[in-house]
Amino acid sequence: KAGVTQTPRYLIKTRGQQVTLSCSPISGHRSVSWYQQTPGQGLQFLFEYFSETQRNKGNFPGRFSGRQFSNSRSEMNVSTLELGDSALYLCASSLSSGSLTGELFFGEGSRLTVL
Amino acid sequence: KQEVAQIPAALSVPEGENLVLNCSFTDSAIYNLQWFRQDPGKGLTSLLLIQSSQREQTSGRLNASLDKSSGRSTLYIAASQPGDSATYLCAVSQGAQKLVFGQGTRLTINP
Repeated sequence: KAGVTQTPRYLIKTRGQQVTLSCSPISGHRSVSWYQQTPGQGLQFLFEYFSETQRNKGNFPGRFSGRQFSNSRSEMNVSTLELGDSALYLCASSLSSGSLTGELFFGEGSRLTVL
Repeated sequence: KQEVAQIPAALSVPEGENLVLNCSFTDSAIYNLQWFRQDPGKGLTSLLLIQSSQREQTSGRLNASLDKSSGRSTLYIAASQPGDSATYLCAVSQGAQKLVFGQGTRLTINP
């Protein structure tokens, strides 16, 4: 059974650009959530999608957005990139369909460097 | 606001030792607690999930306990091996697939 797949794995952007990251969840998982990992702040929750609806959102500015498609694949977008957006962006999927949290399975991440 | 702390931040032990990693959280109203390992530059690998109604979970050489009332969890690793070297993270859930993570314990097992 394939795991969570994230693309691209590495990317370099310059300040002011925008970036789109993609996540394919484990087959059958309908919940997809995104996290940002930095050395200073650790892992922080960005948002979670279930059945194409954003159910929960973390404390990030509006430049961070996401969406989920009918096949449960998800994308996140960061506009007007800042140096501080350099991070490892992790996607996780879960079988849980309710509001409770099931076991989360993470992808390898997309490492974004902003110059 | 839920806060999760992990002590120690780093730990180095010789191969074969049994060891305990600690995790504490400030709000006992959690749905579950999950332990992960992360290898350098990699994603997170789920190790154990403990539901709030459970006291412990075991998988191979790993045993995780949960004391919700005191806001503590421990991860016990038996007979440590060099391949266990990684950063171990605990995370608590208060619902809606949102995890709050600790900063992790960086574990080094010396051959």
